[in-house]
Amino acid sequence: ETGVTQSPTHLIKTRGQQVTLRCSSQSGHNTVSWYQQALGQGPQFIFQYYREEENGRGNFPPRFSGLQFPNYSSELNVNALELDDSALYLCASSLYGIGTDTQYFGPGTRLTVL
Amino acid sequence: DQQVKQNSPSLSVQEGRISILNCDYTNSMFDYFLWYKKYPAEGPTFLISISSIKDKNEDGRFTVFLNKSAKHLSLHIVPSQPGDSAVYFCAARNTGNQFYFGTGTSLTVIP
Repeated sequence: ETGVTQSPTHLIKTRGQQVTLRCSSQSGHNTVSWYQQALGQGPQFIFQYYREEENGRGNFPPRFSGLQFPNYSSELNVNALELDDSALYLCASSLYGIGTDTQYFGPGTRLTVL
Repeated sequence: DQQVKQNSPSLSVQEGRISILNCDYTNSMFDYFLWYKKYPAEGPTFLISISSIKDKNEDGRFTVFLNKSAKHLSLHIVPSQPGDSAVYFCAARNTGNQFYFGTGTSLTVIP
């Protein structure tokens, strides 16, 4: 069984640029959630995708967008990067609809915006 | 607006004793609660969960208690082991399928 993987591990961008982060779900999972974790804070929910459709969204502006592919892998896109977007971005996969909603997290992508 | 709060940033416990980690929430629409454990340089790992219709769930050394009237959640670890040393996050899901995490409590179990 393959766990959740994320790429890249680290990324440095400048303000105003765009970034795409990638996540591969754990085998058999159909749902992917994305989180932003700033230093010293807990993960903040960005959104969740289930069967390629957005299935819940946190308090993030529209410049944060996502995609889920037929193989259930996912991308997080952030446009017009701001300094405050510097954070660890976590992806979590789960099997939606079985009642437990246990999420399995990847190791994260560390984004630095200069 | 911090809807899930962990007011203790850190906790130290002797090996073999009980560790109690606390969490408070403000939103009565939360229907599911979870605890995660996080080691440095790794993503959070699911530990245990509880539905809002229950008040206790037990899994081995880990027990989660839910007091809905007080909007309070706690995780008990008995007996505590040095390998339990990590940051623990409490999380909650609302009926709109949005997830909220606390800021974490760093547990140190002293051998």
